[in-house]
Amino acid sequence: EDQVTQSPEALRLQEGESSSLNCSYTVSGLRGLFWYRQDPGKGPEFLFTLYSAGEEKEKERLKATLTKKESFLHITAPKPEDSATYLCAVQANSNSGYALNFGKGTSLLVTP
Amino acid sequence: GAVVSQHPSWVICKSGTSVKIECRSLDFQATTMFWYRQFPKQSLMLMATSNEGSKATYEQGVEKDKFLINHASLTLSTLTVTSAHPEDSSFYICSARLVQKETQYFGPGTRLLVL
Repeated sequence: EDQVTQSPEALRLQEGESSSLNCSYTVSGLRGLFWYRQDPGKGPEFLFTLYSAGEEKEKERLKATLTKKESFLHITAPKPEDSATYLCAVQANSNSGYALNFGKGTSLLVTP
Repeated sequence: GAVVSQHPSWVICKSGTSVKIECRSLDFQATTMFWYRQFPKQSLMLMATSNEGSKATYEQGVEKDKFLINHASLTLSTLTVTSAHPEDSSFYICSARLVQKETQYFGPGTRLLVL
């Protein structure tokens, strides 16, 4: 059974204090790994898709990396507006419907 | 690009009534749309996968007669919660997948409160 585990559950950073969020996964054939950002009371906002080990993608202060077992979302010099819940999801090759299996998320709080 | 809308954004209804939620892809065609439910402090749980012109595929434990899904066009899917009860109160979120792409784009969600 596909599993997605995110850690830590919650993270508090000072503005400018860089850190990484972890997403460990087990899946029977990875089609893609996705990172989303979710603000309270809103739908998830797409950040990145990673397809194969060694792939990296960047967007502003965020950088996502992928290995065969896990993905990291690196946040460089975060700002208070980066506070949100970050969700990781995997899509398996076996899933013909392209459904996503989500982790429980990491709640990030960046204080001034 | 890749904007998904939902309507209504929130709804309050009495127990026993039915509620319809619309999900639209505004600037792209979506072969497949998905419906998720999210309880407070929990992650998204897939309810069903909806393909245009065919019957939806429901996840285990989701009652298809209670959660009716219609995907009549490449830009519109609807979820009807029939005979809603307080335990159906939740945040319902839809997503749409671009044709030939893996990425899903999510709507803003609909908060349902059943009294």
